[in-house]
Amino acid sequence: SYLLTQPPSVSVAPGQTARIVCGGNNIGSKTVHWSQQKPGQAPVLVVYDNSDRPSGIPERFSGSNSGNTATLTITRVEAGDEADYYCQVWDSSRDHVVFGGGTKLTVL
Amino acid sequence: EGHLVESGGIVAQPGGSLRLSCAASGFTFGDYTMHWVRQPPGKGLEWVSLISWDSGATYYSDSVRGRFTISRDNSKDSLYLQMNSLRTEDTALYYCAKPSRMGSYAFGVWGQGTMVTVSS
Repeated sequence: SYLLTQPPSVSVAPGQTARIVCGGNNIGSKTVHWSQQKPGQAPVLVVYDNSDRPSGIPERFSGSNSGNTATLTITRVEAGDEADYYCQVWDSSRDHVVFGGGTKLTVL
Repeated sequence: EGHLVESGGIVAQPGGSLRLSCAASGFTFGDYTMHWVRQPPGKGLEWVSLISWDSGATYYSDSVRGRFTISRDNSKDSLYLQMNSLRTEDTALYYCAKPSRMGSYAFGVWGQGTMVTVSS
């Protein structure tokens, strides 16, 4: 089955740039979505279709996808960005949605 | 964009059965493929199942195939998950999720979740 690999944790100081990667075999050929989940809350979509932002999501959130790595980039990180972030794709070979294991973003 | 409310989560015994429901509002429910996603306590998200807009296609994760059945009633704007032969590893918060647009697998709307605990 298709696997998505994320680092368990990423730490960044306020105002800096956070990059959260999602690795998968030829993931660049797939469409990647990213969700943010804060403690005790349901997930919220922050990037869809590799690099698009839903309405209401700040421009500080952006995405890219190429080769074997997709990346969620958060610029000018704020304390409120501290959350778990999940990448997600559709595995058409098995008709499954696949989630990465999640990355906990800590704002120092 | 829509609103989803799950219900039906309880404490169940291993081997038991349970039916979860998800009530949808604020969008044309019958136009969308719908999904169930679960999250064990302290762990990540796991996709469970999907059902197409017309119930013509259903898919399941390997961990629940043969035990869980997804269904929907478009006349009632409702999604269901029948859970049989429950195992302790099915303990999780169960979310229903709606794509951000038709044909997409990006989940633009999530419910608040309903907790299922499987324990003797």
